[in-house]
Amino acid sequence: DADVTQTPRNRITKTGKRIMLECSQTKGHDRMYWYRQDPGLGLRLIYYSFDVKDINKGEISDGYSVSRQAQAKFSLSLESAIPNQTALYFCATSDFRGREQYFGPGTRLTVT
Amino acid sequence: RKEVEQDPGPFNVPEGATVAFNCTYSNSASQSFFWYRQDCRKEPKLLMSVYSSGNEDGRFTAQLNRASQYISLLIRDSKLSDSATYLCVVNAYSGAGSYQLTFGKGTKLSVIP
Repeated sequence: DADVTQTPRNRITKTGKRIMLECSQTKGHDRMYWYRQDPGLGLRLIYYSFDVKDINKGEISDGYSVSRQAQAKFSLSLESAIPNQTALYFCATSDFRGREQYFGPGTRLTVT
Repeated sequence: RKEVEQDPGPFNVPEGATVAFNCTYSNSASQSFFWYRQDCRKEPKLLMSVYSSGNEDGRFTAQLNRASQYISLLIRDSKLSDSATYLCVVNAYSGAGSYQLTFGKGTKLSVIP
């Protein structure tokens, strides 16, 4: 089984809808991250969490929120989806030093 | 100046060729350095760490020049399976025993039969 899983893997939704992307990990890592990837823009950090009680904004947090339900679970929500949130979303984990990150398989989100 | 800069490519090379990727970083406090590989529509995965003394893993050689804030990746005897995007990643200490990774936008490599 994969160490970092994401659900759903693909999602098409309409403008204005609320959507949640979920991430689970079995690596036992404290740190979890959400990124989005757009062609030509690379990976951009949305939010990160160093433990269950710690949530931090990344480079592009506007329009997103997160919830760290447990050490192993980190969810990303789009409260009211808009077309420019169409992207590939990755969850990642790392140990307490954060020197290497392990990525989930990604969620391809399309907002029409 | 962007924190981590790479030539986006694409680099189109024939099988068997040697290809080199370069990367520069702006944060002089950066502590550790990596190359990640990302296949099309897949997640990034660690390819190798980069050490000041340079390091080699089979056909792959990574080098770091801290004075110039420059990292390189050399791939010898390119294979079709090397076709991917290569991400330069820099890790800087951000306080309280924590590090923050910064990813370059990646260099796309296509190895042609």
